[in-house]
Amino acid sequence: DAGVIQSPRHEVTEMGQEVTLRCKPISGHNSLFWYRQTMMRGLELLIYFNNNVPIDDSGMPEDRFSAKMPNASFSTLKIQPSEPRDSAVYFCASGRGTHGYTFGSGTRLTVV
Amino acid sequence: AQSVTQLDSQVPVFEEAPVELRCNYSSSVSVYLFWYVQYPNQGLQLLLKYLSGSTLVESINGFEAEFNKSQTSFHLRKPSVHISDTAEYFCAVRGNQAGTALIFGKGTTLSVSS
Repeated sequence: DAGVIQSPRHEVTEMGQEVTLRCKPISGHNSLFWYRQTMMRGLELLIYFNNNVPIDDSGMPEDRFSAKMPNASFSTLKIQPSEPRDSAVYFCASGRGTHGYTFGSGTRLTVV
Repeated sequence: AQSVTQLDSQVPVFEEAPVELRCNYSSSVSVYLFWYVQYPNQGLQLLLKYLSGSTLVESINGFEAEFNKSQTSFHLRKPSVHISDTAEYFCAVRGNQAGTALIFGKGTTLSVSS
């Protein structure tokens, strides 16, 4: 089992550019979560999906953020346009049933 | 809605000393409780979880946590820490319905020195 796979591991982009983060959940997991981690705010839930359907996106900061899950094996988080305050580590996690959720290694985003 | 409070942001201890990392939660529904550990520049790893049954749960590396419903607490303990336990520890809560999101505390940095 390769675990939850996120790409890229690191992303440096200029303010105003579009950024796309990718996540491949563990096969058989039917829930997928996107979190953002910063020193100031800790781990924040952005959005999550059950069976590819978005359930709660109330944590998405603003309209510049969007997430999709076109199938059970792939999800994207897009920021357009990006701003310096979006700099953070973005984690994807997947799970099934009552088990604990498995986290990916994260994408460290730096917007300059 | 649920929330988690980790009472200590940093806990420095000497090697082989006991440690307790405190966690309190609030929720209007029945919950599951978790502790995750994050080593520098890595993702979060599940340390242990309480779903139901025995209120004392243990991990494979000597940590344990006790669910206390009356005090709404889920403190993490280890009787003797190692240098390698240095990491950030997150307490998390979620509702007991399948597919609900984890809500995390702010984290506690455990620093073990010799």
